[in-house]
Amino acid sequence: AQSVAQPEDQVNVAEGNPLTVKCTYSVSGNPYLFWYVQYPNRGLQFLLKYITGDNLVKGSYGFEAEFNKSQTSFHLKKPSALVSDSALYFCAVRVATSGTYKYIFGTGTRLKVLA
Amino acid sequence: GAVVSQHPSRVICKSGTSVKIECRSLDFQATTMFWYRQFPKQSLMLMATSNEGSKATYEQGVEKDKFLINHASLTLSTLTVTSAHPEDSSFYICSARPQIRTGGRHTEAFFGQGTRLTVV
Repeated sequence: AQSVAQPEDQVNVAEGNPLTVKCTYSVSGNPYLFWYVQYPNRGLQFLLKYITGDNLVKGSYGFEAEFNKSQTSFHLKKPSALVSDSALYFCAVRVATSGTYKYIFGTGTRLKVLA
Repeated sequence: GAVVSQHPSRVICKSGTSVKIECRSLDFQATTMFWYRQFPKQSLMLMATSNEGSKATYEQGVEKDKFLINHASLTLSTLTVTSAHPEDSSFYICSARPQIRTGGRHTEAFFGQGTRLTVV
């Protein structure tokens, strides 16, 4: 079955320190991978995506993610965390189904950046 | 970026009544829209895929007669929760993806701001 796993429910990091939010996937074929962020009572905001090409993808707000095919991972990273980065982060994979596409989301990781 | 507007953002309704949630793509046409349900501290669960001009495709375990989806135009999809009960209280989120033929093959889906439904 196609799936996305985010092994950490919560990640705590001090402001200014680098952060990593982990994501692994299991899909058939080449994966289309995404990271979204969600603030309380809000929808999801797109951060970045990997479709093809360079394994290191740069996105919004200084975030980046590295696609690792051998480890089937797509970890989200940021060199220096901000308190305002505190939110819920979702990794997702887009899969083809019945002539269209759908997104499968991980369970989410709550990032808490401490001042 | 592309904008998806979801309305209302919050709604409280009495048990047994129906509630309609609208999802509009404001600056692009979306052949396909998705409806998700999110429980507190949980991930998004896809409920159904809405295709313009045709019947929605529901995920396993989702009652199509309870969650009516209409996708009447390329910019509007609606979700109606019929005969709502307290257990239907949840956060509902829609998303839309631009048409593939207009360059949308590799684009991401855009999400509405969500609707908090409370059934009392």
